[in-house]
Amino acid sequence: DAMVIQNPRYQVTQFGKPVTLSCSQTLNHNVMYWYQQKSSQAPKLLFHYYDKDFNNEADTPDNFQSRRPNTSFCFLDIRSPGLGDAAMYLCATSTSWSGASFQETQYFGPGTRLLVL
Amino acid sequence: KQEVTQIPAALSVPEGENLVLNCSFTDSAIYNLQWFRQDPGKGLTSLLLIQSSQREQTSGRLNASLDKSSGRSTLYIAASQPGDSATYLCAAGNYGQNFVFGPGTRLSVLP
Repeated sequence: DAMVIQNPRYQVTQFGKPVTLSCSQTLNHNVMYWYQQKSSQAPKLLFHYYDKDFNNEADTPDNFQSRRPNTSFCFLDIRSPGLGDAAMYLCATSTSWSGASFQETQYFGPGTRLLVL
Repeated sequence: KQEVTQIPAALSVPEGENLVLNCSFTDSAIYNLQWFRQDPGKGLTSLLLIQSSQREQTSGRLNASLDKSSGRSTLYIAASQPGDSATYLCAAGNYGQNFVFGPGTRLSVLP
């Protein structure tokens, strides 16, 4: 089945130790997103890729970076995790959306729960 | 800037009841509105997507309505079951913007 896969499902890291979360998709969608979701809150968009074009949200901290080496994979790098970065990180995909039109359905992965010690 | 709210934050009902979840948005010039389900510790699953030209969408026991003029959408769940227990989020889509999510309503259906 076509899907969005996230690894690992749970990640424990130490304060200040870099960590990378991965996302892959078999939907062949142009757009991939990374969201941060804290308990009982709405998902917060960090950035998205339209193909290889990177779009950063204005309030995303510099501590968060992303890479998309090909259509199928996207990575979230947290350079120096702080206690406040502990959250669920959600990857999502959608069909073509250049930001100059209307967005259609997003498909989400199961998420990676990050714990910072 | 679009803002989305959902009331109540949590809801508990006995099995078999019909229930309504509410979603409000501030910018009525939306193109579409989507309802998602989120099980504890998991990602979001799309339930229904309503285009601005539509008034409602139905899928099984779920019915979502959209009233752009009042800035509201409702998700109606008929004959609720314990398996419906989850958090339900709505997300509003405006031109040139990513979906803006509400914080969700946590639903518990008691056997």
